[in-house]
Amino acid sequence: ETGVTQTPRHLVMGMTNKKSLKCEQHLGHNAMYWYKQSAKKPLELMFVYNFKEQTENNSVPSRFSPECPNSSHLFLHLHTLQPEDSALYLCASSQAHEATDTQYFGPGTRLTVL
Amino acid sequence: GQNIDQPTEMTATEGAIVQINCTYQTSGFNGLFWYQQHAGEAPTFLSYNVLDGLEEKGRFSSFLSRSKGYSYLLLKELQMKDSASYLCAVRDSNYQLIWGAGTKLIIKP
Repeated sequence: ETGVTQTPRHLVMGMTNKKSLKCEQHLGHNAMYWYKQSAKKPLELMFVYNFKEQTENNSVPSRFSPECPNSSHLFLHLHTLQPEDSALYLCASSQAHEATDTQYFGPGTRLTVL
Repeated sequence: GQNIDQPTEMTATEGAIVQINCTYQTSGFNGLFWYQQHAGEAPTFLSYNVLDGLEEKGRFSSFLSRSKGYSYLLLKELQMKDSASYLCAVRDSNYQLIWGAGTKLIIKP
């Protein structure tokens, strides 16, 4: 399998549920990202991991919790979400964060919070 | 604040040429990217400009003017499969990508 993969592709959850999104990259990259994409709005950067260390947390609520066990895997743990958190969550990777590298995206998880 | 502006939606005819503009105001500049995103799919990389001028790649070309804070993506010989959203993003001085909201391009036969 090549590129960046994400599971699940679709997720419906209640506000009291706990779920996790998974991202895996097969490109040998060292930086991974979580983005939120809402309709007609710019991509919002949520978290950045560079060589497994979290380097960015753009004022994301604590109900979103990232985990990066190694440079190929990235998780986003979700708990007590709100309906306004419904969006497409995109994972991306690049060679490194400090260089002028291209980011490659996964297909996203479409999240609906009821 | 940092800002990327691009038109919300554009319509063009199959076989024609379309130009999608992007203007930006960012804290520093370390390159501008264009991505294509089909509905329900991942954004895919199209082009990267860091110096002024035109970069051509097949039917797609991208232009940059750093002094004007301006770029455009030019699509020639439009095909129905080019119907998608086109995202402009600028890498700022902290190497963070600042994104526009995207331009939805509709191709009509």
